[in-house]
Amino acid sequence: DSGVTQTPKHLITATGQRVTLRCSPRSGDLSVYWYQQSLDQGLQFLIQYYNGEERAKGNILERFSAQQFPDLHSELNLSSLELGDSALYFCASSVEVVGSYWGNEQFFGPGTRLTVL
Amino acid sequence: GQQLNQSPQSMFIQEGEDVSMNCTSSSIFNTWLWYKQDPGEGPVLLIALYKAGELTSNGRLTAQFGITRKDSFLNISASIPSDVGIYFCAGQHGSSNTGKLIFGQGTTLQVKP
Repeated sequence: DSGVTQTPKHLITATGQRVTLRCSPRSGDLSVYWYQQSLDQGLQFLIQYYNGEERAKGNILERFSAQQFPDLHSELNLSSLELGDSALYFCASSVEVVGSYWGNEQFFGPGTRLTVL
Repeated sequence: GQQLNQSPQSMFIQEGEDVSMNCTSSSIFNTWLWYKQDPGEGPVLLIALYKAGELTSNGRLTAQFGITRKDSFLNISASIPSDVGIYFCAGQHGSSNTGKLIFGQGTTLQVKP
């Protein structure tokens, strides 16, 4: 158990719908990262939040958004869903060293499997 | 998106054999991480490497941070059936205010008892 929790485990929805994925980081971790895993693209970074603020964006579609709340949990919102959005979505958390060097071990949650029909 | 070049793509070995896999990149990383993923689960961190040339072990696993900082290797000695899974390398540039990970495509390991 990594200490990172994600809900729900599975999500089945229809095209055009909107869903929210939730992540709680490990106790004490200030950074939350979201990744998407699909068969053709592998594991891809979507977005990072650090202590409530957005730090970096990766290959995240405009239809997707995220936020990190004061209690440090994070939500990933996916809207106008398309068939191609079906994937595993992972959240990871990390204790960051703030300063000139960013980089540390990231611990992943169990993921949310999203199926868009 | 950017991905690391991880090889081999898959391996089918006999229990007790040693396994080697590696990752290469066109850019320099400050950190290399190795993860294992079981079907339907999240990646589990195996080893983290922070210095060029560093050699780190975790039980039967040994990983190295390449001298050029553009590659890393993972070795598994005396494989057992529970080693089955997908192994991913991941690199962090760590120099641009984000620790985002860039992943390899994964190495699928199958172990025959």
